[in-house]
Amino acid sequence: TQLLEQSPQFLSIQEGENLTVYCNSSSVFSSLQWYRQEPGEGPVLLVTVVTGGEVKKLKRLTFQFGDARKDSSLHITAAQPGDTGLYLCAGEEIYGTYKYIFGTGTRLKVLA
Amino acid sequence: EAQVTQNPRYLITVTGKKLTVTCSQNMNHEYMSWYRQDPGLGLRQIYYSMNVEVTDKGDVPEGYKVSRKEKRNFPLILESPSPNQTSLYFCASGRGEAYNEQFFGPGTRLTVL
Repeated sequence: TQLLEQSPQFLSIQEGENLTVYCNSSSVFSSLQWYRQEPGEGPVLLVTVVTGGEVKKLKRLTFQFGDARKDSSLHITAAQPGDTGLYLCAGEEIYGTYKYIFGTGTRLKVLA
Repeated sequence: EAQVTQNPRYLITVTGKKLTVTCSQNMNHEYMSWYRQDPGLGLRQIYYSMNVEVTDKGDVPEGYKVSRKEKRNFPLILESPSPNQTSLYFCASGRGEAYNEQFFGPGTRLTVL
């Protein structure tokens, strides 16, 4: 089974700071998704990256898929309290199989 | 409103007492899946179904059964629950197309004593 390791596990920052969350594996994924989960709710998809080296932006969030499709990063610029939550990466092992491996998550708290 | 619903949301039971957690989606999605979420382990896929004819095991299927008799429903069955199945369970659905976006239900918190 492929593993996805996320770092850091916990992050507490002040409003306005920048941060980067990493998602790493020793194996190749056909695609990688990022989700955000808030307490008492299920994860909600933020983005899907599918091509090595791909960069996608979602307002203040920038997602990058590694060239070798083994790792990904999420960068948040000027974090806001509304960004607080659990961020999860998830990789599809083989394209079209719908078997997903989730990372262990990064719990972010943005203080006002 | 497009959604995935799970019932019950909370359940406390005892070892060995069979239980079923229901999952229903109203988005006409082909794909459905069950996950469990445990501290430090993230979400782990239990079973998934690509359509009503195909169901397959995820990473942690032991002790669980599923049924996909119709497109909208995908119940999770624990024939003989044990304490190590105490967890937060999520059902998800998706269109089943390329780079499938998963829509998650609100979760079911299960405690097995």
